[in-house]
Amino acid sequence: AQRVTQPEKLLSVFKGAPVELKCNYSYSGSPELFWYVQYSRQRLQLLLRHISRESIKGFTADLNKGETSFHLKKPFAQEEDSAMYYCALSPISGSARQLTFGSGTQLTVLP
Amino acid sequence: DTAVSQTPKYLVTQMGNDKSIKCEQNLGHDTMYWYKQDSKKFLKIMFSYNNKELIINETVPNRFSPKSPDKAHLNLHINSLELGDSAVYFCASSPGGRGSEQFFGPGTRLTVL
Repeated sequence: AQRVTQPEKLLSVFKGAPVELKCNYSYSGSPELFWYVQYSRQRLQLLLRHISRESIKGFTADLNKGETSFHLKKPFAQEEDSAMYYCALSPISGSARQLTFGSGTQLTVLP
Repeated sequence: DTAVSQTPKYLVTQMGNDKSIKCEQNLGHDTMYWYKQDSKKFLKIMFSYNNKELIINETVPNRFSPKSPDKAHLNLHINSLELGDSAVYFCASSPGGRGSEQFFGPGTRLTVL
């Protein structure tokens, strides 16, 4: 069975401070990991995925297979980063790529 | 606009009623999904269809029945609504294949009184 754990339900940081949203996973095969974001009153949208190895809006995430983690980081948080962040896992193979989501972390960036 | 759309956006109904939520995507994707987000914001897959065929059917009461008339539409019909069905339901689609992103609809907030 696959599982995604986000230990922090709420996280508050001040503007300009570094932020790290934690994500750990368990999966017997090779997973693909994602971070999705939901801004207030908007739909869920992809922020980044591990295979792209890119930085989006200043956020990065590195897949650590040894620690089974995919933490999301940003060196200098901005107020517009306040949102709900979901870590998600998908099998790499298969005809339907269902996502298993973590429980989400509500990030608030304070002025 | 190219997107995933859902109707209605809000749905308030009495216990015991039957209701449907519609989802359409004009992205040309092969795979569509329904997710449920509960009051604690936890998101869980319910169903997945690939080219109009049911691929995933998680442990969902059989009062929930998805219907895919064509690969651009995946509707969710719910019979005999219960209080615990109150949630936000999200439709999503993806092109399929390795590393494909899922695109989400705006959600339908269902309230059962």
